[in-house]
Amino acid sequence: KNQVEQSPQSLIILEGKNCTLQCNYTVSPFSNLRWYKQDTGRGPVSLTIMTFSENTKSNGRYTATLDADTKQSSLHITASQLSDSASYICVVSANNGGADGLTFGKGTHLIIQP
Amino acid sequence: GAGVSQSPSNKVTEKGKDVELRCDPISGHTALYWYRQRLGQGLEFLIYFQGNSAPDKSGLPSDRFSAERTGESVSTLTIQRTQQEDSAVYLCASSVGQGLGSYEQYFGPGTRLTVT
Repeated sequence: KNQVEQSPQSLIILEGKNCTLQCNYTVSPFSNLRWYKQDTGRGPVSLTIMTFSENTKSNGRYTATLDADTKQSSLHITASQLSDSASYICVVSANNGGADGLTFGKGTHLIIQP
Repeated sequence: GAGVSQSPSNKVTEKGKDVELRCDPISGHTALYWYRQRLGQGLEFLIYFQGNSAPDKSGLPSDRFSAERTGESVSTLTIQRTQQEDSAVYLCASSVGQGLGSYEQYFGPGTRLTVT
């Protein structure tokens, strides 16, 4: 069964600090992995997408890594800001295009404190 | 440009009543998706529309759930005889192309449904 596990479940850090969120998956055959940011009361917004051949991708202060061998991804946030407080969701797509080909993690709830 | 919009933003209903949730996708997006997000849980896929093809309903949890889409525009998700376990945020997303994981999905703000 395809699964996506995220850790930690929640995280509190001080403004200006860095943090790293983890995503482990058992989705096969792998197509791509996305990280989404979901602000409270809003829909998720895509931060990065990574395919099998990519191992690092940046979007401003967000850097995602992918290790397809170990089936792990991380999202590193640099110099955190209060607006980074949100849930971060890892989504893995299987290479079959079907409805069951998209597996969502439960998310990491990140709180940035001033 | 306008993003995905959903209405109502909040809905409180009594157990046993029917509810209709609406989604207006981004203009020109051929694919439309409905998800359910229970408190503290990940998104659950419900149904997927792509152009004029038959929708993929494999994620609908019971026959109380149904959805319709008019062409490549608005969609409605209907829940009949609501139960308390239906309480969740219902998210709609749209994308430019087909293939559930191939194109970026743009999400609406969701409808928070509370069944009392």
